[in-house]
Amino acid sequence: AQSVTQLGSHVSVSEGALVLLRCNYSSSVPPYLFWYVQYPNQGLQLLLKYTSAATLVKGINGFEAEFKKSETSFHLTKPSAHMSDAAEYFCAVSEYGYNKLIFGAGTRLAVHP
Amino acid sequence: GAVVSQHPSWVICKSGTSVKIECRSLDFQATTMFWYRQFPKQSLMLMATSNEGSKATYEQGVEKDKFLINHASLTLSTLTVTSAHPEDSSFYICSAIMVGQRYGYTFGSGTRLTVV
Repeated sequence: AQSVTQLGSHVSVSEGALVLLRCNYSSSVPPYLFWYVQYPNQGLQLLLKYTSAATLVKGINGFEAEFKKSETSFHLTKPSAHMSDAAEYFCAVSEYGYNKLIFGAGTRLAVHP
Repeated sequence: GAVVSQHPSWVICKSGTSVKIECRSLDFQATTMFWYRQFPKQSLMLMATSNEGSKATYEQGVEKDKFLINHASLTLSTLTVTSAHPEDSSFYICSAIMVGQRYGYTFGSGTRLTVV
């Protein structure tokens, strides 16, 4: 069964600094991978997804992620953090296309002035 | 784009009563819907997968008789929490996949259930 590990439950960066949120997955077949953001008491917003096309995926709000099969990783980055990026971020994986989606534990990103 | 409407957005009920949460795809037909549960400051835990016209598939550890899922049409799935207790208080989120998987996963906005 597929699984996701997000290293670092809390990440704190300065405004303007690089954002790096780590995600490693486990899957017996080529996976679909996703990053979602959640603001307090709200639903999920899709940032980006990898579905076996280009390994470098660009998403909304300046985020991007790179699928590295050899490292079983799908880390999320943003060159310059903004205060509005402070939120909870979830990495998720599905097997066999759009099947059941399994989430990582989440990483809370704090951005300070 | 695809939109999933989830209602109610929040509900408070008394212990022992049942609560129904609706998840409706507004502009597409959903072959599959998923139900998640999220405790405060935790991740989303998949509860069950439902396909239109068939019984839901529950994840291990989820009580089928407590969390009744019905997917009677291609646009509507419901989750009923039966005989709710305070420990059932949580944030419940549904997700739908369109026929043909054109839009991938579309999430509802979630339902905050508080059992008193």
